Amino acid sequence: KNEVEQSPQNLTAQEGEFITINCSYSVGISALHWLQQHPGGGIVSLFMLSSGKKKHGRLIATINIQEKHSSLHITASHPRDSAVYICAVSYNTDKLIFGTGTRLQVFP
Amino acid sequence: KAGVTQTPRYLIKTRGQQVTLSCSPISGHRSVSWYQQTPGQGLQFLFEYFSETQRNKGNFPGRFSGRQFSNSRSEMNVSTLELGDSALYLCASSAVGGEKLFFGSGTQLSVL
Repeated sequence: KNEVEQSPQNLTAQEGEFITINCSYSVGISALHWLQQHPGGGIVSLFMLSSGKKKHGRLIATINIQEKHSSLHITASHPRDSAVYICAVSYNTDKLIFGTGTRLQVFP
Repeated sequence: KAGVTQTPRYLIKTRGQQVTLSCSPISGHRSVSWYQQTPGQGLQFLFEYFSETQRNKGNFPGRFSGRQFSNSRSEMNVSTLELGDSALYLCASSAVGGEKLFFGSGTQLSVL
């Protein structure tokens, strides 16, 4: 069993839809990261969470430490949001354990 | 402020050769970490350096090594290359107490 599980693996949406990507992990962590990777490889760090909720523009990330679960929400999705979204956990360092990613395609 | 710079962007090598990849972090960042990404295994942690010291190492063979210099620039070396080492190698830097990792564009290594 992977230490970090993401769902769904693939997600297709129409422009404007509300999107949720889920991440579950198996052991206690110091932080959880949400990353975005566009075709071509570049990775952008969206959020780092250790508790609660963070918001940046149309993106919202939440984490429930007791349930070992995090969600990434995208409101009013747009085709430019199409990317792979990766959840990763860390244990007091920059050593990250990655989920397998969620491939999101948003169609106009 | 310049981002994380990785060189070279693309590299082609043959089995048995060795390769050195370079990563220049964002100015002021002292932590540099390296990752390997393959279609089969996804993203995997290689190692992390902070102030010239290796703080963590992933589950890779001893052929994979790295170092960090006093200016925080880092290099990783892979010796005796194997076909399975073909991958995108990414480095990331972060500030002390920083919230995010900043990734470079990666080096795409192909081993023939």
